[in-house]
Amino acid sequence: EVQLVESGGDLVQPGGSLRISCAASGFSVSDTYMRWVRQAPGKGLDWVSAIYSGGSKYYAESVKGRFTISRDNSKNTLFLQMNSLRAEDTAVYYCVRVGQDYGDYYFMDVWGKGTTVTVSS
Amino acid sequence: DIQMTQSPSSLSASVGDRITITCRASQKISDYLNWYQQKPGKAPKLLIYAASTLQSGVPSRFSGSGSGTDFTLSISSLQPEDFATYYCEQSDSSPVTFGQGTRLDLK
Repeated sequence: EVQLVESGGDLVQPGGSLRISCAASGFSVSDTYMRWVRQAPGKGLDWVSAIYSGGSKYYAESVKGRFTISRDNSKNTLFLQMNSLRAEDTAVYYCVRVGQDYGDYYFMDVWGKGTTVTVSS
Repeated sequence: DIQMTQSPSSLSASVGDRITITCRASQKISDYLNWYQQKPGKAPKLLIYAASTLQSGVPSRFSGSGSGTDFTLSISSLQPEDFATYYCEQSDSSPVTFGQGTRLDLK
């Protein structure tokens, strides 16, 4: 079964750091375009970061320089290292697999249940 | 960044109704448009990609259309499990961006 399970969400003080994880099963993260998407309380969806199968990494402007996406192929796990956290980073963070069809149509077809990050003093 | 605007922001309907949600892009995106359904406390679920292709396992009462800047999601006969929030997402250019969501609730 294809599945994503996030972990590591916590309450962190402003300026602190946190690493969240996403364990994949049923497919290999090393071969797959993956994203992190977040949702602040009562708000909509926002793309945070992406990593392509070839290793290229991309970030939203709001997190560039503070967040780092990575993967451990041996553990089939995706990570998001978050530094210099701010109150506005408070959200549920979803790990997402990006599917592809018709050559260049991309869509988010497998979502984890999410992990909650709260930044507060 | 491409801005996505959904309308209405909220909608009340009854079981059996046909409803339509609109999504407008701030610039042309061809048909690089996806739709997701999210229920309270749950992760979003992919419904439609490439504007009109139904994701495997999604009931045929859901349909999508549009190209360029204007898109619609329709549900032909609302079922109790369809009351949720719906988001559009453009995948034409980076960064991908979402509409603000349309909350569909029971009248």
